[in-house]
Amino acid sequence: SQKIEQNSEALNIQEGKTATLTCNYTNYSPAYLQWYRQDPGRGPVFLLLIRENEKEKRKERLKVTFDTTLKQSLFHITASQPADSATYLCALSYSSASKIIFGSGTRLSIRP
Amino acid sequence: DVKVTQSSRYLVKRTGEKVFLECVQDMDHENMFWYRQDPGLGLRLIYFSYDVKMKEKGDIPEGYSVSREKKERFSLILESASTNQTSMYLCASRGQGNTDTQYFGPGTRLTVL
Repeated sequence: SQKIEQNSEALNIQEGKTATLTCNYTNYSPAYLQWYRQDPGRGPVFLLLIRENEKEKRKERLKVTFDTTLKQSLFHITASQPADSATYLCALSYSSASKIIFGSGTRLSIRP
Repeated sequence: DVKVTQSSRYLVKRTGEKVFLECVQDMDHENMFWYRQDPGLGLRLIYFSYDVKMKEKGDIPEGYSVSREKKERFSLILESASTNQTSMYLCASRGQGNTDTQYFGPGTRLTVL
């Protein structure tokens, strides 16, 4: 069955630096890869979606890459701020399925 | 503004009780989902529904059942609650398109004593 691995449970970085989170998957490539943000005690909120034929997607300070050869997606937050502190989840979806498969998340902390 | 609401934010029940968790969405979405989330285990899919009265088992359906009598409402039922069902329960909905965003409710933190 498909497995998703997010590089680490927790990541701590200095404010202003670029945060880079990794999402690796096994087996076949998804049609779409999504990233969500989750704050403590709340449900995840959608951030970005990238298709398998796209290499990169940007939205303000966020950038997502998708490498189907490496079976990996990278999620970058540039000029990070303490308000970016949250858990970030990657999720895979396939064109033939209704459900999305979620990774367990990386807890990002940005220190001032 | 799109919305998924869950009937309770916090719930405390006793072992053996029957528990109902309700979820309502106002986006006319076909797909609805129930997850539980535990530290270190991430989001695990319990059940999902792709249409009224239709349901499919997710990864951990044991001890749970669901009901979808109306398009906007998806209920999760714990027939006889047990302490290992103490968890955060999240409902989500999504449209038919493969690129459609999944919208989550605020979650219900259930404690079974």
